[in-house]
Amino acid sequence: GENVEQHPSTLSVQEGDSAVIKCTYSDSASNYFPWYKQELGKRPQLIIDIRSNVGEKKDQRIAVTLNKTAKHFSLHITETQPEDSAVYFCAATLSASGGSYIPTFGRGTSLIVHP
Amino acid sequence: GAVVSQHPSRVICKSGTSVKIECRSLDFQATTMFWYRQFPKQSLMLMATSNEGSKATYEQGVEKDKFLINHASLTLSTLTVTSAHPEDSSFYICSASASGTSYEQYFGPGTRLTVT
Repeated sequence: GENVEQHPSTLSVQEGDSAVIKCTYSDSASNYFPWYKQELGKRPQLIIDIRSNVGEKKDQRIAVTLNKTAKHFSLHITETQPEDSAVYFCAATLSASGGSYIPTFGRGTSLIVHP
Repeated sequence: GAVVSQHPSRVICKSGTSVKIECRSLDFQATTMFWYRQFPKQSLMLMATSNEGSKATYEQGVEKDKFLINHASLTLSTLTVTSAHPEDSSFYICSASASGTSYEQYFGPGTRLTVT
């Protein structure tokens, strides 16, 4: 099965700085890589995703890069704001038989943005 | 769009009883639903995947007789924790996906289960 490693587990930055979270995956057949933001006690919210046929995707202050050869992908947040503080999860999604698919999540990164 | 609800949001039950948690997709048809368990400050642990009308596929180490999953319609999946024990206390979250070609998951708000 798939194995996803996520680093760092905790990231503390000053407001305005950039934050980078990295994930690696083990199964080269994984083809969909979403990133979720989860605030305390709330549901995970999809913030950006990338498919295996794309190397980079950007949405305002958030960008994701994917290196299929090295099997790693990263989340980049620029100009961080205190409201970006949350736990961020990466995931790698593997297609299974019958049209189904299986997501595997990283352990999460607690991002703290100091004002 | 793509709203998923979960009920109840919190439940406290006595050891040995069973608890049912409902997950509904409110504005789309969910061909696939996922059930996760999340411990404090930890990641989402996939328990099982269910496709409408089919038996759920359980992840290794998850007891299918203890965690009963039913996905009877395209908008409803239920998770029943049978003969609950204190170690079953956790945050249970469901998610739903709209179609076979879209991998996007929409999460429910979660259910906090406490077994006393």
